[in-house]
Amino acid sequence: GAVVSQHPSWVICKSGTSVKIECRSLDFQATTMFWYRQFPKQSLMLMATSNEGSKATYEQGVEKDKFLINHASLTLSTLTVTSAHPEDSSFYICSARGPGNQPQHFGDGTRLSIL
Amino acid sequence: QKEVEQNSGPLSVPEGAIASLNCTYSDRGSQSFFWYRQYSGKSPELIMFIYSNGDKEDGRFTAQLNKASQYVSLLIRDSQPSDSATYLCAVNRWDNFNKFYFGSGTKLNVKP
Repeated sequence: GAVVSQHPSWVICKSGTSVKIECRSLDFQATTMFWYRQFPKQSLMLMATSNEGSKATYEQGVEKDKFLINHASLTLSTLTVTSAHPEDSSFYICSARGPGNQPQHFGDGTRLSIL
Repeated sequence: QKEVEQNSGPLSVPEGAIASLNCTYSDRGSQSFFWYRQYSGKSPELIMFIYSNGDKEDGRFTAQLNKASQYVSLLIRDSQPSDSATYLCAVNRWDNFNKFYFGSGTKLNVKP
């Protein structure tokens, strides 16, 4: 149980392109979803937290207009990287948790490369 | 002071030995404690969670919680080379389920 699916696994695109990443909880209702970014050999960095039906809460230093998060249902959240540039290249990971005192379950991550 | 502290390692143990990974936390009000494993280039996966003082066992893994001393540890018995990964400790409070504090992780190397 507690499976989180994230797509796509890899994205390679040109600078200036917008990229959408999907995160789905397959067998539970995700009241909260989280988006992280991780650079090589570095720690997880939380970008934002989103609750179903509410606006996402962004961490300090994360540009809301650049990283658009939508959590429209209890099983789906999306992260759109708008007008991506090479410095946005990273490993993006979503996680989800159910109601109450539940752990986070992570998706497999999306490796984004901007040329 | 960081909310959650872990020795970055690497911790090297021979195959078959017990690996002991430690984590300390600063918020005495923390109530949930999680251990995640992250292989290089992959996303974290949940290994165990513990809420009460004492030990919790799951197969070769044992989580130990000592709230008075504010530490949580993970023991891996009969360590295998496939256990080589970075282990992340995370804590949160029940009055804010959505706020998780992650340690930076301990890298474990199990040598054949």
